[in-house]
Amino acid sequence: SQTIHQWPATLVQPVGSPLSLECTVEGTSNPNLYWYRQAAGRGLQLLFYSVGIGQISSEVPQNLSASRPQDRQFILSSKKLLLSDSGFYLCAWSPLTGVNTEAFFGQGTRLTVV
Amino acid sequence: GEDVEQSLFLSVREGDSSVINCTYTDSSSTYLYWYKQEPGAGLQLLTYIFSNMDMKQDQRLTVLLNKKDKHLSLRIADTQTGDSAIYFCAERSGGYQKVTFGTGTKLQVIP
Repeated sequence: SQTIHQWPATLVQPVGSPLSLECTVEGTSNPNLYWYRQAAGRGLQLLFYSVGIGQISSEVPQNLSASRPQDRQFILSSKKLLLSDSGFYLCAWSPLTGVNTEAFFGQGTRLTVV
Repeated sequence: GEDVEQSLFLSVREGDSSVINCTYTDSSSTYLYWYKQEPGAGLQLLTYIFSNMDMKQDQRLTVLLNKKDKHLSLRIADTQTGDSAIYFCAERSGGYQKVTFGTGTKLQVIP
């Protein structure tokens, strides 16, 4: 069966420090991968979307970047965090083909920039 | 391109029915979904509907799809306090079958 791992679960970082959030998927190949951010009590904002290794679409201009060094690994990064980067970050994957077609979410990372 | 819209907030009394609405723009959608997010957690799939269907019922949940108007709704019968959450609709479309989410509707159930 397929599983998605996202870590860490919580993170407190000072302004100006770097960030690296990692997401890995098991049990499938060539997934579509997504990074979302959710401000407190608000909806989802799609940050990055990837259809393959090295193929990243950025949905909104921002202080963050994403990379996909392997088929099932998706990394969200920042060189210098801003206070406005605080939020709940969710990684997700969806299959390109197959019976199960929906998106599956990780448990999220709560990032607080202080 | 894909765009999915929802109203941000809905408040209902316990025992009443809730109806959460969603509109989308991509006419090539293959599947449409409803997800539920409990506070502080990730999203969990509630139900989905194929784009060639117009209704699907699953216990207290009824999904209605009006493909002509690109309108999707989720009806929750006999709404309970445990139904309080954020509900997201989503569509799957395009060559890469990308899943696009709405911004979510926060459902508040008043006891």
